[in-house]
Amino acid sequence: NAGVTQTPKFRILKIGQSMTLQCAQDMNHNYMYWYRQDPGMGLKLIYYSVGAGITDKGEVPNGYNVSRSTTEDFPLRLELAAPSQTSVYFCASSYAQGAKNIQYFGAGTRLSVL
Amino acid sequence: AQTVTQSQPEMSVQEAETVTLSCTYDTSENNYYLFWYKQPPSRQMILVIRQEAYKQQNATENRFSVNFQKAAKSFSLKISDSQLGDTAMYFCAFMKHDAGNMLTFGGGTRLMVKP
Repeated sequence: NAGVTQTPKFRILKIGQSMTLQCAQDMNHNYMYWYRQDPGMGLKLIYYSVGAGITDKGEVPNGYNVSRSTTEDFPLRLELAAPSQTSVYFCASSYAQGAKNIQYFGAGTRLSVL
Repeated sequence: AQTVTQSQPEMSVQEAETVTLSCTYDTSENNYYLFWYKQPPSRQMILVIRQEAYKQQNATENRFSVNFQKAAKSFSLKISDSQLGDTAMYFCAFMKHDAGNMLTFGGGTRLMVKP
């Protein structure tokens, strides 16, 4: 059972470059999320989706874009990479709301912008 | 906006002993949920335990239990019989009842279990 799969695991970008972080889940979860984790800090929500075709901003959405064309996939796009976007990015998914909302996380993508 | 504070950046405990990690939160909501997540060196976040605010009974999961004090807005995690595999970062997280499942995380506590 793969769960939540993130690719790539590591990436180095130059300032101004763009890239897409991929996230796929095979658990048929409706909800999907993107977080970033800066060194020594907790996770902060970038964007989330409650189903295919529906996305919404989280706490720190500036500089990022998302789309959700299928239930399984939730890619995160960085258009003009900046050093402030150096972080570890986590994708997560969940099935239900409230206390039954157990979010399952991917292994993360470590991104450095130089 | 909600805030979650973990006042202990690092803690250590001897194997087989008990340790308590602190978490406080600030909210004006009455219905919400609280979670403890574990992040081992592999980086993958794993749910440890969760608590519904309307339940007075403290949640327990095997060696893990919480002390939920709603009036004090406190949600501490107790790990009994600590094991080497418990070495990890631990994050406290808050979720409003109708917030679209958005989690607000604390800054984390790094726990080291010593043999």
